[in-house]
Amino acid sequence: EAGVAQSPRYKIIEKRQSVAFWCNPISGHATLYWYQQILGQGPKLLIQFQNNGVVDDSQLPKDRFSAERLKGVDSTLKIQPAKLEDSAVYLCASSKGGTGVETQYFGPGTRLLVL
Amino acid sequence: DAKTTQPPSMDCAEGRAANLPCNHSTISGNEYVYWYRQIHSQGPQYIIHGLKNNETNEMASLIITEDRKSSTLILPHATLRDTAVYYCIVRVGMGYGNKLVFGAGTILRVKS
Repeated sequence: EAGVAQSPRYKIIEKRQSVAFWCNPISGHATLYWYQQILGQGPKLLIQFQNNGVVDDSQLPKDRFSAERLKGVDSTLKIQPAKLEDSAVYLCASSKGGTGVETQYFGPGTRLLVL
Repeated sequence: DAKTTQPPSMDCAEGRAANLPCNHSTISGNEYVYWYRQIHSQGPQYIIHGLKNNETNEMASLIITEDRKSSTLILPHATLRDTAVYYCIVRVGMGYGNKLVFGAGTILRVKS
């Protein structure tokens, strides 16, 4: 079974530029998550999708971050404009979705450096 | 979600059991204890979870105290590849909208 795929793996941009990350979840997984992990900290949830609807985006800085999950499969996370403090690893995860106890499966992440 | 407290780091000799403690004194009756680990430059990996009873799988064992205020993750025969950050998380496990709230975790260093 293929895991969660993310691209690119690394990205370097200058502040005020825009950037986009892509995630392809495990086939059949209805729930998709985006996390931000700053160096030395645990991942922090930014947004959670159930199919193509948003379940939780309370921690997403909506003035500069946006995310979409068209057709309930792939997802993109965008930052525009980027700030220095956005330097982090952006992790995508997916789970089957449902009313049971859920296990989340994580991708390898995209490492972003904002100069 | 209840908060968890873990030691910032631990060392373990290769081949010995690694016992990683976690305190979750404010845990509610319907909150599960989850353990994930994150090897350098990879995404977090699920290890095990439990509610009340002790659990064991091919990776580890989870021992939860009777009052559920603390737990211990046991890696029975640690190898160098088990060097990672280990996260203890408590959350409501049922239904949509449940989420993982990660703390700083415990850095486990397995040494030869």
